[in-house]
Amino acid sequence: IAGITQAPTSQILAAGRRMTLRCTQDMRHNAMYWYRQDLGLGLRLIHYSNTAGTTGKGEVPDGYSVSRANTDDFPLTLASAVPSQTSVYFCASSDSISQVNEQFFGPGTRLTVL
Amino acid sequence: GQNIDQPTEMTATEGAIVQINCTYQTSGFNGLFWYQQHAGEAPTFLSYNVLDGLEEKGRFSSFLSRSKGYSYLLLKELQMKDSASYLCAVLDSNYQLIWGAGTKLIIKP
Repeated sequence: IAGITQAPTSQILAAGRRMTLRCTQDMRHNAMYWYRQDLGLGLRLIHYSNTAGTTGKGEVPDGYSVSRANTDDFPLTLASAVPSQTSVYFCASSDSISQVNEQFFGPGTRLTVL
Repeated sequence: GQNIDQPTEMTATEGAIVQINCTYQTSGFNGLFWYQQHAGEAPTFLSYNVLDGLEEKGRFSSFLSRSKGYSYLLLKELQMKDSASYLCAVLDSNYQLIWGAGTKLIIKP
């Protein structure tokens, strides 16, 4: 692994189904983030984690949950998907959330909820 | 509220120079980032400014004026591979990135 990986690359999901998007980084970064990107809008932060064992809510957390059991993994779960959650989801990481560090992004997951 | 404004789309000619502007209103300021995003790909870091002035990095330069809440990204000697979206983002007082919607740059031969 080099950098950040996300899985799946894309997914079509029926409304009401549960879905977990996976994110793994091998840079030993402390901070990790989940964003959604929609046409005409900037990246919007869903949830973040300062370090393993801690998580926080971003701008648009409703309908999503995260966990950070270890440094490398930061899965995002949609408990009951709705069509408005159709989006491209990016996972990112940085060395620290409290310092100025660039964020490194995964390749994204394109999710369609029907 | 917090707001980042940048043009939706710009067109420029290969070999020319283009300036992409970004204005912001945020709660606090801990720096401004520019990222490049090719279609269907992830954003990648281009530059970071926290002090007023111009930062030059090869063909790309980024300028910041904190008093005016303004930044621009200057791309010189444009190449076809520079066709991409350019995202402006401000690090607010909580060290969260506030993102603009991005400027799609189209390069014509």
